[in-house]
Amino acid sequence: DQQVKQNSPSLSVQEGRISILNCDYTNSMFDYFLWYKKYPAEGPTFLISISSIKDKNEDGRFTVFLNKSAKHLSLHIVPSQPGDSAVYFCAASVYNQGGKLIFGQGTELSVKP
Amino acid sequence: DTAVSQTPKYLVTQMGNDKSIKCEQNLGHDTMYWYKQDSKKFLKIMFSYNNKELIINETVPNRFSPKSPDKAHLNLHINSLELGDSAVYFCASSQDRQGVNYGYTFGSGTRLTVV
Repeated sequence: DQQVKQNSPSLSVQEGRISILNCDYTNSMFDYFLWYKKYPAEGPTFLISISSIKDKNEDGRFTVFLNKSAKHLSLHIVPSQPGDSAVYFCAASVYNQGGKLIFGQGTELSVKP
Repeated sequence: DTAVSQTPKYLVTQMGNDKSIKCEQNLGHDTMYWYKQDSKKFLKIMFSYNNKELIINETVPNRFSPKSPDKAHLNLHINSLELGDSAVYFCASSQDRQGVNYGYTFGSGTRLTVV
């Protein structure tokens, strides 16, 4: 019973173009969503989050969009750079549940020069 | 000046052994976590502590016991190791109890292999 799903295991994008990573969830109680980036042999690194009262949050080249009616969020990276090549995890949380995050299985992004 | 450090990075051990993984954070965070990344790459929470108090204890076998001597340390002890315990274990910390406003800071992981 996977409550957070990233249905694309991998994505390949040309440098300078937009990368769009998608995430779907099933639990309507989730009220915070986060994206993490992970390089091999390292721990995940926090990128950006969004609360369910918003539909967009932007931080530099990274923008997260939330569509609550579709239970869908996406991370846009513009422009994509080779250093963005990593595994991206989507995560969701219900506030006041002790910080527990439910993670998707990740999407491996490859940005080609 | 590593923010969240775990030791050891790699651990290979035989079934039935008892082992510990140590975690320390120097960020002054109040909440610490243990997550397990299984062979399918899912990251799943095991435990969380806030100021040495156990907050979350997921359905983890009793063979796993966390210990938090102070708010900067959260160690994980595993008794009677089984083949299915092989995974990457990540320690993390967060500035607040919710872990959502600033996210977690993760350690680099401990790859446990039980043979």
